Amino acid sequence: GQNIDQPTEMTATEGAIVQINCTYQTSGFNGLFWYQQHAGEAPTFLSYNVLDGLEEKGRFSSFLSRSKGYSYLLLKELQMKDSASYLCVGGGYNKLIFGAGTRLAVHP
Amino acid sequence: EAQVTQNPRYLITVTGKKLTVTCSQNMNHEYMSWYRQDPGLGLRQIYYSMNVEVTDKGDVPEGYKVSRKEKRNFPLILESPSPNQTSLYFCASSKRQGNYGYTFGSGTRLTVV
Repeated sequence: GQNIDQPTEMTATEGAIVQINCTYQTSGFNGLFWYQQHAGEAPTFLSYNVLDGLEEKGRFSSFLSRSKGYSYLLLKELQMKDSASYLCVGGGYNKLIFGAGTRLAVHP
Repeated sequence: EAQVTQNPRYLITVTGKKLTVTCSQNMNHEYMSWYRQDPGLGLRQIYYSMNVEVTDKGDVPEGYKVSRKEKRNFPLILESPSPNQTSLYFCASSKRQGNYGYTFGSGTRLTVV
């Protein structure tokens, strides 16, 4: 089967670090994406991992362990504008499988 | 500017009245797809197209039709909309099928009464 699991909601404080976890089961796995989506807006691409390990891009980092079916997104130096949903997305042969998203609320 | 353009952004319609949501991309992408997003659920794929004249069903195709007569356009057609099709719809495109990131349109919020 194909399934993506991630927490529904998280809260964090401005300036802090937060880690959003994701476990997945996808057939024909072809990489793991993270997207950011502000309420009512289109998802925007954050990161892509196809090999095990950590990919760092500015304040955002993403990690993948294929053997464990596990990924996380790490957000550092949180800003208020980081309040959004974060979608864990499994890449398949002919489509992406989206998790329901983790709604992150950053407060002062 | 490279983008996916969806229209309209908002639409309220009545049950049974045929409608079309347009989607156009200017990046010469081969792969295009339609998703719907409902509260508490991830984006679910409705239909996808790997190239011109090649379309296939996604996970929730019932009640929808698509066509891909030109590479840049991929309209979504609701022949007889029903209230359970009230949702937020996104068109997306990608260079090719496979592990390429998607570029999304701005979304269409559809309400069927």
